[in-house]
Amino acid sequence: QKEVEQNSGPLSVPEGAIASLNCTYSDRGSQSFFWYRQYSGKSPELIMSIYSNGDKEDGRFTAQLNKASQYVSLLIRDSQPSDSATYLCAVNGFGGSYIPTFGRGTSLIVHP
Amino acid sequence: DVKVTQSSRYLVKRTGEKVFLECVQDMDHENMFWYRQDPGLGLRLIYFSYDVKMKEKGDIPEGYSVSREKKERFSLILESASTNQTSMYLCASSFQGGAYEQYFGPGTRLTVT
Repeated sequence: QKEVEQNSGPLSVPEGAIASLNCTYSDRGSQSFFWYRQYSGKSPELIMSIYSNGDKEDGRFTAQLNKASQYVSLLIRDSQPSDSATYLCAVNGFGGSYIPTFGRGTSLIVHP
Repeated sequence: DVKVTQSSRYLVKRTGEKVFLECVQDMDHENMFWYRQDPGLGLRLIYFSYDVKMKEKGDIPEGYSVSREKKERFSLILESASTNQTSMYLCASSFQGGAYEQYFGPGTRLTVT
């Protein structure tokens, strides 16, 4: 059974701080890792993807992948109230599986 | 930009009615998916399709069926709507040749009374 675990939160950070969101996964053969942002009442929006160990930066967002420890994280620098949302971690499996396993998401609240 | 559209943002139906939810994507993606999302339960896969006329059951197919007659269109059918099918329904698509990142439509909030 493939599992993706996230702390449900809420994670509360002050405006301007770094928000750190974490995700662990069970399938050691997983190859593709994604972060989605979902505002309340809206659909998930893909914000980051990462495929190899290390960091990947895109603007204020940094995705970090450690396959040996089976975790992936998302850092949001200079957090803004507009970053308040639920962040979903998704993992695609080994052998070309195109069906991702989603975590249940972490709720982030950025307060002014 | 990938565009996935869904036929309705909000829908209210009565118990026992047949309900059609339609999803259209404009990026020539092979894979299409239907999820429902409920508070505390996360995203749950109902059905998916990897080609025209091909369909596979997801984790919770009971009470649902699907149709994919054209590559760009994937329909979800509730044969006889029940109150426990009140939920947010999300369609997604992905390209078969890439890393399979999914792109979601805006969602349909279905209420069955």
